[in-house]
Amino acid sequence: QKEVEQNSGPLSVPEGAIASLNCTYSDRGSQSFFWYRQYSGKSPELIMSIYSNGDKEDGRFTAQLNKASQYVSLLIRDSQPSDSATYLCAPRYDKAAGNKLTFGGGTRVLVKP
Amino acid sequence: DAGVTQSPTHLIKTRGQQVTLRCSPKSGHDTVSWYQQALGQGPQFIFQYYEEEERQRGNFPDRFSGHQFPNYSSELNVNALLLGDSALYLCASSLRWGGNTEAFFGQGTRLTVV
Repeated sequence: QKEVEQNSGPLSVPEGAIASLNCTYSDRGSQSFFWYRQYSGKSPELIMSIYSNGDKEDGRFTAQLNKASQYVSLLIRDSQPSDSATYLCAPRYDKAAGNKLTFGGGTRVLVKP
Repeated sequence: DAGVTQSPTHLIKTRGQQVTLRCSPKSGHDTVSWYQQALGQGPQFIFQYYEEEERQRGNFPDRFSGHQFPNYSSELNVNALLLGDSALYLCASSLRWGGNTEAFFGQGTRLTVV
């Protein structure tokens, strides 16, 4: 079983719709969770961080965390063609701050005009 | 405020050669982590440096080594290059202690081994 699992996609979404991305992780000790966006040929860009169970909203992005179910999700509202990218889920085990990120394989999102 | 910078951006090496990649962390950050990203996969953790010492290491052979300097910048060295070492090498910097320990990536170094 992989440490971090994401559907590889592509997730095809019409412009203006909601894109829903899911991520499950195996390490119950994970305490911090991050979503990175990566455009083709570029490096990952941090878009959301979440540390507590529940929802966290930032602009058009909402992250949802359920530690009991070992599940974290990302919603992208009013999807735009510029949101077309690969989204990487990365839990972190905070035994000490600065610990390594463990990445999933990413979900490729395609927003169609 | 300069972000994380890596050099070079692209590199072509021959099998068996050695390579050194460089990273300057974001201003105020003291921790540098290195990741390898093969095409179509998520980044894989190589190692992390803090206070000039390797603090954590992923599942990579000893051919991969690193260093952190007093100014927090870091180098990644790979010896005896294999074709399978071809990948995007990413440096991420963060603050080890404090309220915000989010990690930010540099633009990466694309290494091609021929």
